[in-house]
Amino acid sequence: DSGVTQTPKHLITATGQRVTLRCSPRSGDLSVYWYQQSLDQGLQFLIQYYNGEERAKGNILERFSAQQFPDLHSELNLSSLELGDSALYFCASSVGEEVERDRGTDTQYFGPGTRLTVL
Amino acid sequence: AQKVTQAQTEISVVEKEDVTLDCVYETRDTTYYLFWYKQPPSGELVFLIRRNSFDEQNEISGRYSWNFQKSTSSFNFTITASQVVDSAVYFCALSDQLYNQGGKLIFGQGTELSVKP
Repeated sequence: DSGVTQTPKHLITATGQRVTLRCSPRSGDLSVYWYQQSLDQGLQFLIQYYNGEERAKGNILERFSAQQFPDLHSELNLSSLELGDSALYFCASSVGEEVERDRGTDTQYFGPGTRLTVL
Repeated sequence: AQKVTQAQTEISVVEKEDVTLDCVYETRDTTYYLFWYKQPPSGELVFLIRRNSFDEQNEISGRYSWNFQKSTSSFNFTITASQVVDSAVYFCALSDQLYNQGGKLIFGQGTELSVKP
């Protein structure tokens, strides 16, 4: 158990709908990352938040948005869903603090994922 | 551009065999970070190891060992005396970002390892 929690575990919805995926990072972690895993694209980075602020953006569609709240949990909102959005969505968290400075970067620990099926 | 290549899509071995998973990376940066993650059939991603580009020592952890070679841009993973529980998809990943500059991971396509009894 990585300490990162994600809800729901499974989500089935229809095209055109909107869903929200939730992530709670490990205790003490300030950074949250979102990734999408699909058969054709593999594991792709979507977006990162650090202590409530957006830090980096990857291949995230305009229909998708995310935020990190003051209690550090994060939500990924997916709207106008299409069949191709069906995928496993992972959240990861890392310390993001200077405790890792001497090692240059910190390790991302992943949650169990939310499997989204769009019908 | 950054890229990670795991040329082996699937590997099948019999229990107790040794197996090596290959990972080749591309980056223009002189400082970068390499990772291995395991994705068992249950689906979660489990962190195995992190290696910094300025630390070329190889590492051994039980039956697992990692061979980092900067000269060939490779970071290979060997499982000694494989077990059925090692069956999973293994991902190699690269990051060239400092912790405070956005640490996205670039993943390879993964190698599916099947260990048969």
